[in-house]
Amino acid sequence: EVQLVESGGGLVQPGGSLRLSCAASGFTFSSYWMHWVRQAPGKGLVWVARIHSDGYPTIYADSLKGRFTISRDNAKNTLSLQMNSLRADDTAVYYCARGGPLWNDFDYWGQGTLVTVSS
Amino acid sequence: DIQLTQSPSFLSASVGDRVTITCRASQGISSYLAWYQQKPGKAPKLLIYGASTLQSGVPSRFSGSGSGTEFTLTISSLQPEDFATYSCQQLNSYPLTFGPGTKVDIK
Repeated sequence: EVQLVESGGGLVQPGGSLRLSCAASGFTFSSYWMHWVRQAPGKGLVWVARIHSDGYPTIYADSLKGRFTISRDNAKNTLSLQMNSLRADDTAVYYCARGGPLWNDFDYWGQGTLVTVSS
Repeated sequence: DIQLTQSPSFLSASVGDRVTITCRASQGISSYLAWYQQKPGKAPKLLIYGASTLQSGVPSRFSGSGSGTEFTLTISSLQPEDFATYSCQQLNSYPLTFGPGTKVDIK
């Protein structure tokens, strides 16, 4: 069974940093592109970043470039999102998702981890 | 960036109703469109990919159609477990974008 389990969310002050992790199991992690998606409270889904199966290349939403870094450790079946210079509008539930094999749709999602940026 | 709009944004329907949701793209995206269902406090669930292919395990009352700039998601006979928010997503080009969602509520 495919499972994606996020961790690392929490309360952080504006300007702070946080690192999210996504533990993958039940599939050959190293064969799939992976994504991060976020959803602010009461708002819609916003794609954040994608990483190729090998770890490169990566691509980001323009508004996040330079502050967020997506990475992966295929030996540990783990996806990460390093978030720096956090702002109040980064407050959201962050989901990791697997890119589907044919159309790169998001065929499996984690349960999400809440990041709250507030003083 | 490719913008997606959905209509309606809110829909009130009864069990057994046929429901249609439309997603429009600001430019052509061929068939690179997916549909997701999301219930409160839960992660989205993939329903349709490639505009019309039903994801494994998704009931056959769900169907998708369209290509280019106009797409539809149809639920042939609404069931109690279908009350949720439905979002489209374009996978044609980066940045990947989602529609704003359509909330389907109980009449």
